[in-house]
Amino acid sequence: EVQLLESGGGSVQPGGSLRLSCAASGFIFNDYVLTWVRLAPGKGLEWVSGISGNGFKTYYADSVKGRFTISRDNSKNILYLQLNRLRVEDTAIYYCAKDYDFWTSWGQGTLVTVSS
Amino acid sequence: EIVLTQSPGTLSLSPGERVTLSCRASQTVTSRFLAWYQQRPGQAPRLLIYGASIRATGIPDRFSGSGSGTDFTLTINRLEPEDFAVYYCQQYGNSPLTFGGGTKVEIK
Repeated sequence: EVQLLESGGGSVQPGGSLRLSCAASGFIFNDYVLTWVRLAPGKGLEWVSGISGNGFKTYYADSVKGRFTISRDNSKNILYLQLNRLRVEDTAIYYCAKDYDFWTSWGQGTLVTVSS
Repeated sequence: EIVLTQSPGTLSLSPGERVTLSCRASQTVTSRFLAWYQQRPGQAPRLLIYGASIRATGIPDRFSGSGSGTDFTLTINRLEPEDFAVYYCQQYGNSPLTFGGGTKVEIK
């Protein structure tokens, strides 16, 4: 059974940083593209970032490009998202999901709150 | 970027009713690469449909998807209490991947 468990969320001031983690199990980790999707309060879902199985290719939404960095540790089966220069509008639940195009497996999410 | 517009924003219905949700794309969705998700409060999204009309594993047959080009629909026959949730469409034929704004199906 695929399991994805996010952690690392919290409250931070604008301009601050956080690193999110997603621990994965139940599948061959380095065979799959992994993705971050977020849900902001009162808004819809937004694709944030994706990374290839070997970590060599990364993809970002324009809204986070240059501020967020996706990475993975295939030896530990962990996906990361480094969030820098955070803005109020980055406040959201961040989900990790398996695959790139559409997603059958999701974590339960970790909440990031950006507020002064 | 393909913009997906879902309508209506909210629907108030009773259990047992049939509902049709709309998702309209700003340009043609390549190869019917469109998915539908259900999200209940406090839960992660759940994949219902991909390829515009293919039910995901374990999804009841009261859920069906149709459409092509720029117009897609999700139909739920005989609403069950657990179906009251927010529904999102998502296209994966063009980068960046985009979602619609969602339709909330609430109990009347």
